[in-house]
Amino acid sequence: EVQLVQSGAEVKKPGESLKISCEGSGYTFNIYWIGWVRQMPGKGLEWMGIIYPGDSDTTYSPSFQGQVTISADKSISTAYVQWSSLKASDTAMYYCVRSGGGMVRGVIDYWGQGTLVTVSS
Amino acid sequence: EIVMTQSPATLSVSPGERATLSCRASQSVSSNLAWYQQKPGQAPRLLIYGASTRATGIPARFSGSGSGTEFTLTISSLQSEDFAVYYCQQYNNWYTFGQGTKLEIK
Repeated sequence: EVQLVQSGAEVKKPGESLKISCEGSGYTFNIYWIGWVRQMPGKGLEWMGIIYPGDSDTTYSPSFQGQVTISADKSISTAYVQWSSLKASDTAMYYCVRSGGGMVRGVIDYWGQGTLVTVSS
Repeated sequence: EIVMTQSPATLSVSPGERATLSCRASQSVSSNLAWYQQKPGQAPRLLIYGASTRATGIPARFSGSGSGTEFTLTISSLQSEDFAVYYCQQYNNWYTFGQGTKLEIK
């Protein structure tokens, strides 16, 4: 069974750093793309970026370029997204997602359970 | 960036009736269009990709159509579990979602 298991909820202050994780299991982690999707409270879905764990090839949405860093450690089947200096506007649910390659790259076939990040002073 | 616009924002339909949701792209995305369903407190799930291909395990009452800039998701006979928010997403040029359509019980 394919699973993406994300790290737990976080409460942080503005200016703090944060790294959240997503562990994949039940499939060959290296050969599927892993992406991150943001959902702000009561709002819609936004792609942040995507990484290919096999070679760490990464693409960011223009809106998130420079705002977050996406990485992966294929040896432990885990992907990450990190912030160096959080803002209140980073408060959101963050989903780790799996996507195939080729013609279906960008189609999300599995979702993690979400990590709620709250940034408040 | 390709902008995806969904209509209506909210759709009220009675159980057993047909629901038709629309999604428009600001430029052609060919057939590189997916639909997702999200229920409160849950992660979304994939319904349709390639504009009209049902994902694994998705009931036949869900169907997708369209190409280029105009797309439709049709639910032929609404069940209680279908009331949710639906998002379209293009994957032709990077990836962008529509703002969602909330399907509510009439």
